[in-house]
Amino acid sequence: DAKTTQPNSMESNEEEPVHLPCNHSTISGTDYIHWYRQLPSQGPEYVIHGLTSNVNNRMASLAIAEDRKSSTLILHRATLRDAAVYYCILRVYNQGGKLIFGQGTELSVKP
Amino acid sequence: DVKVTQSSRYLVKRTGEKVFLECVQDMDHENMFWYRQDPGLGLRLIYFSYDVKMKEKGDIPEGYSVSREKKERFSLILESASTNQTSMYLCASSSLQGGVQETQYFGPGTRLLVL
Repeated sequence: DAKTTQPNSMESNEEEPVHLPCNHSTISGTDYIHWYRQLPSQGPEYVIHGLTSNVNNRMASLAIAEDRKSSTLILHRATLRDAAVYYCILRVYNQGGKLIFGQGTELSVKP
Repeated sequence: DVKVTQSSRYLVKRTGEKVFLECVQDMDHENMFWYRQDPGLGLRLIYFSYDVKMKEKGDIPEGYSVSREKKERFSLILESASTNQTSMYLCASSSLQGGVQETQYFGPGTRLLVL
């Protein structure tokens, strides 16, 4: 199974940008990179996804390395409500789009 | 907004009991999934379904079965609950486009304690 590697935890200050890294050196050409986050006592929620190009949406930006072996989720201005576990996931095309969750990065945000 | 609801937020059962966890989605999604989440192990896929009456085993199907009689409802069944099935159970659904499933939408989870 395609795997991702993330730091176990990161800390940020409120209203500062946060860069959450992810390594996926075994990614194949058709695997999409997805990010989900899980707020305390809730199910995971979708954040963003991409294939090759950088992506932006109202929640975050996704920067994908040219060789696609790593990516970075960027929260432009962290708020206290962004404190969550962030999962970097590869959606494996040839397995019907199955999502393989790793351990995630626990982000804490200090006021 | 997509809504995925699960029948209970908290459940306490005794060893050997038959347990039903229900999940309903209101977006006419083809795909539905059951995961369990344990500290240090992350989310692990138990079973999934791409269509009514269709099911596929995930990574950890042992001790579980599922039922999908209607498109909007996906049930997880513990035939004889054991203490090692104490966990958080999460249901998710997604649409199918171009043969590949899209974004998964998760329910709030059911925290099951088996005594």
